[in-house]
Amino acid sequence: ILNVEQSPQSLHVQEGDSTNFTCSFPSSNFYALHWYRWETAKSPEALFVMTLNGDEKKKGRISATLNTKEGYSYLYIKGSQPEDSATYLCAVSGSARQLTFGSGTQLTVLP
Amino acid sequence: NAGVMQNPRHLVRRRGQEARLRCSPVKGHSHVYWYRQLPEEGLKFMVYLQKENIIDESGMPKERFSAEFPKEGPSILRIQQVVRGDSAAYFCASSLGEGSYGYTFGSGTRLTVV
Repeated sequence: ILNVEQSPQSLHVQEGDSTNFTCSFPSSNFYALHWYRWETAKSPEALFVMTLNGDEKKKGRISATLNTKEGYSYLYIKGSQPEDSATYLCAVSGSARQLTFGSGTQLTVLP
Repeated sequence: NAGVMQNPRHLVRRRGQEARLRCSPVKGHSHVYWYRQLPEEGLKFMVYLQKENIIDESGMPKERFSAEFPKEGPSILRIQQVVRGDSAAYFCASSLGEGSYGYTFGSGTRLTVV
């Protein structure tokens, strides 16, 4: 069973601040890493899927990096807006083909 | 292009009754996954199915829980003789393939056992 850890558990930032969170996972037996954005009462929304060491992906003000050798990924949000408030989930797949999810980072952007 | 459809959205069952949760994947997706979110916890894997086959059920309790994904029709997660501890949100996701394919999630079924 993979152990996927996310930090911090929760985060409050002011509108306009940039922020980042971490996802850690076992570097052995890695296949792919996924980031999701999950708003209350909605379904998780896929942000990025990354597989290669050094991968960087970007979608608007949100970007992510991947280091498979040391077993971590960062998610960055530039110029946070109140609508960015959500729980950001990281999930990893290894030889077992399903995703194992971290507990998420709950982001609140204060206006 | 409809996403993953789950129904019902909310389900209330008395202890001892059966609960049936349905999931229709994205059209063309043949991989279905069920996850459970217990109160104050994250998403926990339950079962991974492809059409007519259970690929991995390592996260599903051995008793009272079963899942199927028939050739025709939605995937069904069935919980027999429900207990209060089964109260949770059950999410279904589908994908085109394994590993690096993104998942599309449904909105979940919130099961309350009274």
